[in-house]
Amino acid sequence: ETGVTQTPRHLVMGMTNKKSLKCEQHLGHNAMYWYKQSAKKPLELMFVYNFKEQTENNSVPSRFSPECPNSSHLFLHLHTLQPEDSALYLCASSPETSSSTDTQYFGPGTRLTVL
Amino acid sequence: AQSVAQPEDQVNVAEGNPLTVKCTYSVSGNPYLFWYVQYPNRGLQFLLKYITGDNLVKGSYGFEAEFNKSQTSFHLKKPSALVSDSALYFCAVRDIPNDYKLSFGAGTTVTVRA
Repeated sequence: ETGVTQTPRHLVMGMTNKKSLKCEQHLGHNAMYWYKQSAKKPLELMFVYNFKEQTENNSVPSRFSPECPNSSHLFLHLHTLQPEDSALYLCASSPETSSSTDTQYFGPGTRLTVL
Repeated sequence: AQSVAQPEDQVNVAEGNPLTVKCTYSVSGNPYLFWYVQYPNRGLQFLLKYITGDNLVKGSYGFEAEFNKSQTSFHLKKPSALVSDSALYFCAVRDIPNDYKLSFGAGTTVTVRA
């Protein structure tokens, strides 16, 4: 798991707060992903970046705002969240997005609780 | 459209017994199949994948999976389960050439009792 790190590991925030999640990968990959994991549901892909360019926004509400300053770092800025946004947010990386055979490697996740 | 199903929410086995976690898939092209494991309060860890070639794929921690095209299945197996194998297991598939999108199953919770 040290290949992809995420901070913070746990976050509790109110609905009016602004916070950011950070992801860093040390694998030399060029693609990075944000997923949302809710209990008893399949993983939901939120955003995808390839070589710092956003290639996917999977109908995610605007209260979630991603940022990818370089291929090693990915942020998820949070603003005016709702209680139903409470979940485990997972970051992943892969060599790039154009290969069907590439493996995505995941970070440990940030457990977000919105009060 | 690609999809994957894990028909069992929970699997319970005794330590030392064989462990099987089932996965079936639906794709329109050739499937690329993956298994991941998630320990409590951790992210997903890659176990193994099937791309092409041998139908039996060997992965980490003594796990293996068998690709069966006629039954559209990719079951995960371990000959002798350990208590430390207790975790949540996810099957995933993609079938579109040059595409990254993975479709995940809902997961199977494995409990290995001592």
